[in-house]
Amino acid sequence: KAGVTQTPRYLIKTRGQQVTLSCSPISGHRSVSWYQQTPGQGLQFLFEYFSETQRNKGNFPGRFSGRQFSNSRSEMNVSTLELGDSALYLCASSLVQGISTGELFFGEGSRLTVL
Amino acid sequence: AQRVTQPEKLLSVFKGAPVELKCNYSYSGSPELFWYVQYSRQRLQLLLRHISRESIKGFTADLNKGETSFHLKKPFAQEEDSAMYYCALSGGSQGNLIFGKGTKLSVKP
Repeated sequence: KAGVTQTPRYLIKTRGQQVTLSCSPISGHRSVSWYQQTPGQGLQFLFEYFSETQRNKGNFPGRFSGRQFSNSRSEMNVSTLELGDSALYLCASSLVQGISTGELFFGEGSRLTVL
Repeated sequence: AQRVTQPEKLLSVFKGAPVELKCNYSYSGSPELFWYVQYSRQRLQLLLRHISRESIKGFTADLNKGETSFHLKKPFAQEEDSAMYYCALSGGSQGNLIFGKGTKLSVKP
């Protein structure tokens, strides 16, 4: 069974630009969560999607948004990039909604550098 | 507020020595706790969860509600245990996983 796939793996943007990251979950998994990982803050929850609906959202500004498609693939978008958005963005999928009912399977991440 | 604290950024032990990675949490309800591990150049993956009360790769973790702790233990560390370990709590207001900042375990030969 293929794992969680994230694209692109690496990207460089400049301040003010926007970026879209993609995540394909494990086949059959309907829940997709996004995390931002930085050396200073660790892993911080961005949002979770289940059945094309955002179910949970972390404490990030509105510049961070996402969506989920009918095939469970998910995208996240960051607009008006700031230097502080430089991070590893991790996507994780699970069979059902919410972590308490199952484990999260993580992708390798998309490393975003904002110059 | 829900919080997970891993007080040690780095823990270094010799092969064969016991190891304990500390995790303390703050949560008013009934938490579910997990340990995730990331080996070098590999993905973050689940190591164990408290509700399973299982031993994985020789590691165990007991939930102590009185001390609000979920320390990860192994009696005899192996070099292949060297990795980044994250403690995580489920029960956040958004129902998501809240991670600690991680402890890097280095097992020396």
